[in-house]
Amino acid sequence: GAVVSQHPSWVICKSGTSVKIECRSLDFQATTMFWYRQFPKQSLMLMATSNEGSKATYEQGVEKDKFLINHASLTLSTLTVTSAHPEDSSFYICSAPSGEQFFGPGTRLTVL
Amino acid sequence: KQEVTQIPAALSVPEGENLVLNCSFTDSAIYNLQWFRQDPGKGLTSLLLIQSSQREQTSGRLNASLDKSSGRSTLYIAASQPGDSATYLCAVTGNQFYFGTGTSLTVIP
Repeated sequence: GAVVSQHPSWVICKSGTSVKIECRSLDFQATTMFWYRQFPKQSLMLMATSNEGSKATYEQGVEKDKFLINHASLTLSTLTVTSAHPEDSSFYICSAPSGEQFFGPGTRLTVL
Repeated sequence: KQEVTQIPAALSVPEGENLVLNCSFTDSAIYNLQWFRQDPGKGLTSLLLIQSSQREQTSGRLNASLDKSSGRSTLYIAASQPGDSATYLCAVTGNQFYFGTGTSLTVIP
């Protein structure tokens, strides 16, 4: 099946700094990618839909100025958590469709 | 808005038992339904994908059914093994992708 990668797999940062997470489709092109967040012992929640060449679509309650999404090419979407705070600590997963949805391995963000 | 619910939230069974996980969704206008497995701290592993026109899919010891009209899907796991212990998520694709609440499965050796 298709492969989606994420980088980094984990990151620890200080409160107030910004963190960039990359999502790449390795062997297919994706005009759309999805970003999810998962808090401990909770299900995945869709944060936003990343659209190549246009603005991302954010789910209700997700601050678009805080979670910047850039879909620069057909194989890369980035999520930047700006001015991160401890409550942003979470597991972030991206997915991209190629017939079915393929998921990245996730990025664990810890904000101190 | 689509709501996806999974029952039970947690399940503990002895090794070798057959078990059923349930998933229900409120809007039957879906393109497909997927079942995933998630190990602690890991990403998702896709188990089975059922297109909206299909009624079931099988892979090894896993069988998933879909009744779109009633908004239900079941994941049947035969002869459970300790390695099956994980959280199982169902997700439906409509205009967006919606995840269920998950079932945490523990198979006791």
